[in-house]
Amino acid sequence: QKEVEQNSGPLSVPEGAIASLNCTYSDRVSQSFFWYRQYSGKSPELIMSIYSNGDKEDGRFTAQLNKASQYVSLLIRDSQPSDSATYLCALARGSTLGRLYFGRGTQLTVWP
Amino acid sequence: DADVTQTPRNRITKTGKRIMLECSQTKGHDRMYWYRQDPGLGLRLIYYSFDVKDINKGEISDGYSVSRQAQAKFSLSLESAIPNQTALYFCATSDSRGGEGGLLQQYFGPGTRLTVT
Repeated sequence: QKEVEQNSGPLSVPEGAIASLNCTYSDRVSQSFFWYRQYSGKSPELIMSIYSNGDKEDGRFTAQLNKASQYVSLLIRDSQPSDSATYLCALARGSTLGRLYFGRGTQLTVWP
Repeated sequence: DADVTQTPRNRITKTGKRIMLECSQTKGHDRMYWYRQDPGLGLRLIYYSFDVKDINKGEISDGYSVSRQAQAKFSLSLESAIPNQTALYFCATSDSRGGEGGLLQQYFGPGTRLTVT
């Protein structure tokens, strides 16, 4: 089983809707979780990080972490066409802190 | 002026050739990483280095080697390129001093698109 699993997508939502991206992980010692956004042909850029159970909000983005259920999600409110990208979930494990494990990514399309 | 630079940005090479991809950073970070990305497979770690004298294999190191010439430079070599090494390669850096809560954000270079024919 891969360390990090993401819902395969692609995900398509209308402009203004909430986009929900999900990620599950297999290793309970995972400590830190990250969401990267990657536009086609570009490098990944960090948009959210979370390490405690619960919600973390930053503008239109909310990351949710549930360590008991081993999942992390990203909600994008008021989705815009400019949010169309691939979203990569990543985690850092306690035993190898600093090395990130990435999921395969979920492609999001926001249509006007 | 990018903080993490990669050269070349695009490269086409033939099977069996040796090729080197270079990464430089001005962020002052001690940790550096090489990833490859294939469509639908996300990012896979090839090698990583936590400091100049510490180099570690990632999940797909076969067929690759690296050199950490200085804190700011980390090179990836394909000793004898083969077509299934055609991919997008990213270098990344991070700072072991971390940040709030031990979060270790990685900063990515612009990528090198490598094609092996």
